[in-house]
Amino acid sequence: GQQLNQSPQSMFIQEGEDVSMNCTSSSIFNTWLWYKQDPGEGPVLLIALYKAGELTSNGRLTAQFGITRKDSFLNISASIPSDVGIYFCAGQLSDYKLSFGAGTTVTVRA
Amino acid sequence: DVKVTQSSRYLVKRTGEKVFLECVQDMDHENMFWYRQDPGLGLRLIYFSYDVKMKEKGDIPEGYSVSREKKERFSLILESASTNQTSMYLCASSHPGQLYGYTFGSGTRLTVV
Repeated sequence: GQQLNQSPQSMFIQEGEDVSMNCTSSSIFNTWLWYKQDPGEGPVLLIALYKAGELTSNGRLTAQFGITRKDSFLNISASIPSDVGIYFCAGQLSDYKLSFGAGTTVTVRA
Repeated sequence: DVKVTQSSRYLVKRTGEKVFLECVQDMDHENMFWYRQDPGLGLRLIYFSYDVKMKEKGDIPEGYSVSREKKERFSLILESASTNQTSMYLCASSHPGQLYGYTFGSGTRLTVV
């Protein structure tokens, strides 16, 4: 399947910080999705993006669908401790399959 | 609350055993998927099914098979478990044309010793 490059691989957050992560691909996608996985659970959908250039918010989360349709970013504003987890980007071409990034692991800075 | 249910959260099996991982969804979804998740590698597609008795290989099907006898149930089979199949296994489902991606189960952490 198509390979998505997600960065950073990991990050430390301090409560109140804004954080950002992004995903790039050599392929064009029709839909970009961002998921979050809490420890011991399956990924849960956070935001879905359907049009190039689209900017969508869900509470403190904001994501954008890149103009080239080959990239997307996710911002988290005013981090709180429950933001820790693994964030995955995913690109969708067809009805059947998603291609996933390797994930960004967010942990709290001690 | 609609859901995807994986029958076991944790499994420990011996090398060479035949292992069945079960997944059931109650959303009447046509599409079902099995992924494995490994640190640094993200989610890799093993097999998927877009209808009863239909199956397609994903990116890493070697060492696995699947069964979909009923719409709501999709089983992943490890014919002869090996230690390199120790991983987190995630089942997911979706509806054709659904613009909201997949709904995932909570995962099964399999350890092969």
